Amino acid sequence: DQQVKQNSPSLSVQEGRISILNCDYTNSMFDYFLWYKKYPAEGPTFLISISSIKDKNEDGRFTVFLNKSAKHLSLHIVPSQPGDSAVYFCAAGGGSTLGRLYFGRGTQLTVWP
Amino acid sequence: NAGVTQTPKFQVLKTGQSMTLQCAQDMNHEYMSWYRQDPGMGLRLIHYSVGAGITDQGEVPNGYNVSRSTTEDFPLRLLSAAPSQTSVYFCASKGALYGYTFGSGTRLTVV
Repeated sequence: DQQVKQNSPSLSVQEGRISILNCDYTNSMFDYFLWYKKYPAEGPTFLISISSIKDKNEDGRFTVFLNKSAKHLSLHIVPSQPGDSAVYFCAAGGGSTLGRLYFGRGTQLTVWP
Repeated sequence: NAGVTQTPKFQVLKTGQSMTLQCAQDMNHEYMSWYRQDPGMGLRLIHYSVGAGITDQGEVPNGYNVSRSTTEDFPLRLLSAAPSQTSVYFCASKGALYGYTFGSGTRLTVV
């Protein structure tokens, strides 16, 4: 039973536009959420996180929004750049998970010129 | 700081062979874990450890063993390799903050 879901396996966006990646979760005990970025032949790298006590966290071009009532979070990338083309994983943890992170299946973002 | 180091980067095994994937971290992290990544399946947890001497199963533990004799090392053993274990394997460690630090992966092919 997947506790973190990314329902869009792929997203294609033109350079300069906004990319919005979505993620849903089922476990209301999660109290922190993260986004990871993965390039081919490399390990995932941490991008941005948000605690459940916040509804928004911003870091440069990247903003994560959390809607706890809907159990939904999203990652906004503005403006999108070709170098942002990668697989993005949503992850959640906290509560009684003892450090374990639950990952979604990922969304392949392609930013075209 | 090397972070999380995985060896080997690539490996080809014959069905039935055994091998150990090595993982070492130099950040004094208590929490370590092994994931496998398969197309369309995301990152699935195999085994994890919350500290030396303590390990537990994740979502897909069958066919794999782990041990944690030191804080730094968390090897993953394939007991009798099967083609279904062809995958990319990632080791990760976690300190006091939220996020994991991942290794660069081991690409394993079982023929």
